[in-house]
Amino acid sequence: DTGVSQDPRHKITKRGQNVTFRCDPISEHNRLYWYRQTLGQGPEFLTYFQNEAQLEKSRLLSDRFSAERPKGSFSTLEIQRTEQGDSAMYLCASSLAGGALEQYFGPGTRLTVT
Amino acid sequence: QQPVQSPQAVILREGEDAVINCSSSKALYSVHWYRQKHGEAPVFLMILLKGGEQKGHDKISASFNEKKQQSSLYLTASQLSYSGTYFCGTDSGAGSYQLTFGKGTKLSVIP
Repeated sequence: DTGVSQDPRHKITKRGQNVTFRCDPISEHNRLYWYRQTLGQGPEFLTYFQNEAQLEKSRLLSDRFSAERPKGSFSTLEIQRTEQGDSAMYLCASSLAGGALEQYFGPGTRLTVT
Repeated sequence: QQPVQSPQAVILREGEDAVINCSSSKALYSVHWYRQKHGEAPVFLMILLKGGEQKGHDKISASFNEKKQQSSLYLTASQLSYSGTYFCGTDSGAGSYQLTFGKGTKLSVIP
């Protein structure tokens, strides 16, 4: 068990560019969650998948944000036309399915939009 | 609705005890506690479920008052490694499993 991994760990981009982040969950976990965390705040839920199905996406911050998990394994989060307000830590977590179960977080991708 | 944590910050000497509280305005299905050190990912500590089931660390305990929609995390005989920001995440059920986190409680343990 290698834990949740995320790539890249840091991303600096210019305003208006598109960025994509990858998350690899713990191998036997079929639920995958994306959160955003800004300085001094707790993680903010964005979306989650059970296997390849995206079961909640109404909390994505705008239509510039989208996420996929095409084969039920890794997931990607894309932000189009980035804005300075998108600068934050993007965290991925995974869990087993079957009720309220502990979510294990990855190290995050820190996005800086200049 | 974001749960409210108290206190916002606390400083302890090694060996002292602390209690961190988490209060929600919504009915809760589960409460999840995490500790986050600066620049690192949140680390799972404890989950408390409606109905009384608990899962988590041996050295950390917690309570969950379903009627009051409150949870408390108890840290006893604190160690330097307990320093960090503690977050509670609440789940209001209905099969969503999405956690809403409080703003955190910063705990500093000094020698």
